Amino acid sequence: GAVVSQHPSWVICKSGTSVKIECRSLDFQATTMFWYRQFPKQSLMLMATSNEGSKATYEQGVEKDKFLINHASLTLSTLTVTSAHPEDSSFYICSARPRLAGALREQFFGPGTRLTVL
Amino acid sequence: KQEVTQIPAALSVPEGENLVLNCSFTDSAIYNLQWFRQDPGKGLTSLLLIQSSQREQTSGRLNASLDKSSGRSTLYIAASQPGDSATYLCAVTTSGSRLTFGEGTQLTVNP
Repeated sequence: GAVVSQHPSWVICKSGTSVKIECRSLDFQATTMFWYRQFPKQSLMLMATSNEGSKATYEQGVEKDKFLINHASLTLSTLTVTSAHPEDSSFYICSARPRLAGALREQFFGPGTRLTVL
Repeated sequence: KQEVTQIPAALSVPEGENLVLNCSFTDSAIYNLQWFRQDPGKGLTSLLLIQSSQREQTSGRLNASLDKSSGRSTLYIAASQPGDSATYLCAVTTSGSRLTFGEGTQLTVNP
């Protein structure tokens, strides 16, 4: 159980285009989903926290108008990188916290999406 | 602000050796601590989760300990195998379910 999927697994796009990444919890409901970015040979950095039905909370330094997050249902969150530029090339990973996580507060991670902007 | 540090940054050992990876965190107000494995270009695989009230967790050849008061955790890998080669990440959960990650330890187990 507790499987999280991401789509696409990799994407190459031209500079200036927008790219949407989907994160789905396949066998549980997630009230909270998290989006991370990982540059080569670096650790994961939290970009934003999204709660179902409300606006996402962005970390300091993350442009909310550039990284649009939508969490429209308990099993789906999307990250749209708008007007992507080469510096946005990175590995984007989502995680989901089950609605019934309780005190454990465990998150389950997706397999990641490799974005390359030419 | 929570900061997580992992030592060493890289480690190379011969097959069969027992090894210890270290993780330290600056704020002891955590809900849990997790160890993850990440293979190149892949996502995260959760290895062990230790709740703040626990001292250690074991899974197969892996044993993780937690000393919350001193802000330290160790991941012990027994009888290492080449398949254990990966980057190992330590992360702590703080308020709001925020996960703060360390920079990772890149482990290479040589046949």
